[in-house]
Amino acid sequence: AQSVTQPDIHITVSEGASLELRCNYSYGATPYLFWYVQSPGQGLQLLLKYFSGDTLVQGIKGFEAEFKRSQSSFNLRKPSVHWSDAAEYFCVGLHQAGTALIFGKGTTLSVSS
Amino acid sequence: NAGVTQTPKFRVLKTGQSMTLLCAQDMNHEYMYWYRQDPGLGLRLIHYSVGEGTTAKGEVPDGYNVSRLKKQNFLLGLESAAPSQTSVYFCASSDRVNEKLFFGSGTQLSVL
Repeated sequence: AQSVTQPDIHITVSEGASLELRCNYSYGATPYLFWYVQSPGQGLQLLLKYFSGDTLVQGIKGFEAEFKRSQSSFNLRKPSVHWSDAAEYFCVGLHQAGTALIFGKGTTLSVSS
Repeated sequence: NAGVTQTPKFRVLKTGQSMTLLCAQDMNHEYMYWYRQDPGLGLRLIHYSVGEGTTAKGEVPDGYNVSRLKKQNFLLGLESAAPSQTSVYFCASSDRVNEKLFFGSGTQLSVL
C-alpha cells in the first residue's frame, strides 16, 4: 500500500533558525505530494504541492520542498522560522487506488524565542 | 461563496445511537472526502467519492457508511456509534485528485 511517513512527531526550532520537516513516501510511480499546515484552532491550509517538473517547489509563507526520488523523500524547508509558524504540518500523498489523498501523522512545530 | 459546509459543528451521542453528518460544497467539485482527526494519528481517510453516485473505502471505513446522491452533498453515517468514534471529522472536496483540498470547519463528535 502507498503511504507517507513523517518520522518526527515534534520539533522545536528557535525563532530565526532554519527548519526542515521530513516526509518519506512509498509509491510505484511518480507520486502526487503536498504539504498542509494546521495552526491551532484553524483549518488546514495548502503550503505547496508537487506532481511533476522541477523537483524544488516553492510554496506560500516562504516554504519550499524538494522531491528526491532516490531517497523517497519530500522534505519541507524554511530558511528562517517565525513564531507564527508554530503549527502542525502534514505531508499528504496518494491513497493506494490513486484516487484519494492520505495524510501522514503530522509533525508539531514549536518555535522558541 | 460558502465553499465547504459541514453540519453539525458539535454533537454528543450515546453508545449505540446513530447520526448523519452532512457535507455540502458549492464549487462543483467532483471529489469529496471524509477524514477523521485524532491526536497523534493525523487525518485518516474514512470514505471518499470521485463523482456523483460513487463511493469508495478509505483507510478506516469500518463503522461508517456514506452516500453521494447529489454532486454537491456527501453524507457520512454512523449506524451504531462507539466511543472509538469520538473524533473531529473533516469533510473536504477538490476538483481533481492532484488539486488543492478545500476543507469544512469540522465536526466535533463525542460518543459517551
